[in-house]
Amino acid sequence: DAGVIQSPRHEVTEMGQEVTLRCKPISGHNSLFWYRQTMMRGLELLIYFNNNVPIDDSGMPEDRFSAKMPNASFSTLKIQPSEPRDSAVYFCASSDSSGNTIYFGEGSWLTVV
Amino acid sequence: AQSVTQPDIHITVSEGASLELRCNYSYGATPYLFWYVQSPGQGLQLLLKYFSGDTLVQGIKGFEAEFKRSQSSFNLRKPSVHWSDAAEYFCAVGAGTGFQKLVFGTGTRLLVSP
Repeated sequence: DAGVIQSPRHEVTEMGQEVTLRCKPISGHNSLFWYRQTMMRGLELLIYFNNNVPIDDSGMPEDRFSAKMPNASFSTLKIQPSEPRDSAVYFCASSDSSGNTIYFGEGSWLTVV
Repeated sequence: AQSVTQPDIHITVSEGASLELRCNYSYGATPYLFWYVQSPGQGLQLLLKYFSGDTLVQGIKGFEAEFKRSQSSFNLRKPSVHWSDAAEYFCAVGAGTGFQKLVFGTGTRLLVSP
């Protein structure tokens, strides 16, 4: 089975540009998570969805960040405008209704210069 | 609020030696506990999890962990480390509705010497 698929794997962009990260969860999973990993703050949950509905977005750092899940098989995390401090690895993860196991994608490595 | 502490930032172990990575958690109720491993440039892979029942849980790759409520700990162990085990290891506690909101520790980087 395909795991959680993220794109792009790597992106380098200039400050002020819009960045869109994409995620395809595992088929049949109804919960989706966006995490950010930095050296300074470790792994932080940004937002998670259940059945395409945002449940907890308390980790979204500021209004420049937005996330959507238009259907069960696709989600985006958008940063507009991007700043150098947004440089991080962004992980998407998904789980089924039992919530017993959360599967992570391989991450999107973002560098904002 | 829930939190996880991994007191060791780095650990170096000789190949073939035993390993124990420490994890302490703070959570008001019975915790859901997890250990994940991250190889360089990769995502996180679940090693094992504890929800209830037997406090000694077995995972993949020969890892095990023991839940000790009295010590608020969930230490990860392996009897004999292989060079391929070199990676970063994260302990996490599940919180929120359905315990799906994972709160991670800061990680322990394992180095394996020949």
